[in-house]
Amino acid sequence: ETGVTQTPRHLVMGMTNKKSLKCEQHLGHNAMYWYKQSAKKPLELMFVYSLEERVENNSVPSRFSPECPNSSHLFLHLHTLQPEDSALYLCASSQDPLGGGHTDTQYFGPGTRLTVL
Amino acid sequence: SQQGEEDPQALSIQEGENATMNCSYKTSINNLQWYRQNSGRGLVHLILIRSNEREKHSGRLRVTLDTSKKSSSLLITASRAADTASYFCATDARKQETSGSRLTFGEGTQLTVNP
Repeated sequence: ETGVTQTPRHLVMGMTNKKSLKCEQHLGHNAMYWYKQSAKKPLELMFVYSLEERVENNSVPSRFSPECPNSSHLFLHLHTLQPEDSALYLCASSQDPLGGGHTDTQYFGPGTRLTVL
Repeated sequence: SQQGEEDPQALSIQEGENATMNCSYKTSINNLQWYRQNSGRGLVHLILIRSNEREKHSGRLRVTLDTSKKSSSLLITASRAADTASYFCATDARKQETSGSRLTFGEGTQLTVNP
């Protein structure tokens, strides 16, 4: 266990559904991340939150909507997804040195396997 | 080409043999990290090497970094069947004033260790 949990582990949804992915970290970190991992492609960074503020949105379509209510929780709200959005969605956290220059290790959750029909 | 490209894409060896994976990148970096992923699971951090370091060891792992060639290698010695996984390098090129890390991952090397 890495101290980062994700629910659900598997999700099947239709293109018109609305669902949410949840991530919780028990490490006291101040930064959290959403990644998308598709087959045969590198991990794609989607969103970065530092101190509960979104600091990166990597040209992600608006059908993906992140929310970070506090430093321990991160959500990814999904609506009107496309079949090509089927992938493993990974959440990660790290302790951001806040301008100190060096990045610490990222700790990943087990992921949510999403299938869009 | 993308930042953090691993080579080879797939590697199959016998237990007890050493496994070497390489990573190349394009931009200046603060550090380079190696992660491991078992099938369909999250990534687990293995080792981090900073841009001013040339070699680092952790148990059976040895990582080298050559910033002049923009390349790194991960060596796993005396491999075990349990080492079977995908291995990714990730480069951190974050600017100092940026909040949150910005890791760029490669496509990974699939390592299979046969019993």
